[in-house]
Amino acid sequence: GDSVTQMEGPVTLSEEAFLTINCTYTATGYPSLFWYVQYPGEGLQLLLKATKADDKGSNKGFEATYRKETTSFHLEKGSVQVSDSAVYFCALRSQKLVFGQGTRLTINP
Amino acid sequence: EAGVAQSPRYKIIEKRQSVAFWCNPISGHATLYWYQQILGQGPKLLIQFQNNGVVDDSQLPKDRFSAERLKGVDSTLKIQPAKLEDSAVYLCASSLVGQVSYNEQFFGPGTRLTVL
Repeated sequence: GDSVTQMEGPVTLSEEAFLTINCTYTATGYPSLFWYVQYPGEGLQLLLKATKADDKGSNKGFEATYRKETTSFHLEKGSVQVSDSAVYFCALRSQKLVFGQGTRLTINP
Repeated sequence: EAGVAQSPRYKIIEKRQSVAFWCNPISGHATLYWYQQILGQGPKLLIQFQNNGVVDDSQLPKDRFSAERLKGVDSTLKIQPAKLEDSAVYLCASSLVGQVSYNEQFFGPGTRLTVL
């Protein structure tokens, strides 16, 4: 069945560092890909999405590109802030939304 | 616009007891989802409703879990009897439509269940 594998966490960075969280997927067909974020004490929120190969999703300085050849959708941000501390989930959707296990990110000032 | 509402936010019960969770989706959203999120894992879909009909309940443990969405608005998820492994956060989400085309799912804050 469909599955998503994320980079193991937790990840701790200093403010203004470059961020990459790796995500690879296995799916039949051509799924849509997503990154969700869960801030402390809040519900899951959609961060960005891409619906076809080579699409780039972006939001709040975060980017991810749908790479069909490597079945990947890595999340990147050039300069992280303390407010980016959260749990990040990679997900795909073909018939239903399937999530990775999540990566906890902590940014220190 | 009000978001997805869930209650209670926290629940502690003993094994073999029953528990029920309530969800009120965003007004006008036809599709409602219940997810189970075990600590350290991503959310897993339990059941999807389109209006008041079930679209997908393939991962719902039907011997102990049940859900209903009467009148196509609010929904209730019940566990009876609870087991230790049911300890998790139960998330409700809603969207305008389901499988036909992509519509963003909006998530509620979740109910954290602890089974002792």
